[in-house]
Amino acid sequence: QVQLQQSGAELVKPGSSVKISCKASGYTFTSYDMHWIKQQPGNGLEWIGWIYPGNGNTKYNQKFNGKATLTADKSSSTAYMQLSSLTSEDSAVYFCVLTTEGSLDYWGQGVMVTVSS
Amino acid sequence: ETVMTQSPTSMSTSIGERVTLNCKASQSVGINVDWYQQTPGQSPKLLIYGASNRHTGVPDRFTGSGFGRDFTLTISNMEAEDLAVYYCLQYGSIPWTFGGGTKLELK
Repeated sequence: QVQLQQSGAELVKPGSSVKISCKASGYTFTSYDMHWIKQQPGNGLEWIGWIYPGNGNTKYNQKFNGKATLTADKSSSTAYMQLSSLTSEDSAVYFCVLTTEGSLDYWGQGVMVTVSS
Repeated sequence: ETVMTQSPTSMSTSIGERVTLNCKASQSVGINVDWYQQTPGQSPKLLIYGASNRHTGVPDRFTGSGFGRDFTLTISNMEAEDLAVYYCLQYGSIPWTFGGGTKLELK
């Protein structure tokens, strides 16, 4: 069955960067888009963008241009998101989400990123 | 960007009640709307895709409808396990955007 296993919680300093991972299994990794979603504490959901691991093509929410960088490693079936120049506004839970039929079908468990000095 | 406005933001319900949640888009999105359910501490789960199609395994008490700018999620017979936050999502235009959510609570 489809599984998306995300990396562990991160505590990072303002101004630094962090790279979180999402290891996929149970399907052909290169055939479907992987999306990333942000959820700040007590708040709603924000779409960051997607990557198509088959060819590395990406599409971003313009709001996250320069903030988030999506990559994928076909050899390990792992998707990554790097967040740079971190501020308190980046403290959130980040989900990787698979679309197999156009919708956000399968969600990872989420990674809590806390930005604090 | 397309703004999705959900109403109400919260609702007190009773078990067995019929519940209607609304989502309005700032511009037409066709049928490109999904509904997601999130319980505390969990990842969201897809309930309805393409405005009216139930995702695999979703009970038939959940019904989605709408087209264009106005969308509705109806729970026909509220159960305790349905207490959650519900989000609509439009994917008709980039960026994809979520509504702010509707929280269902017990009276």
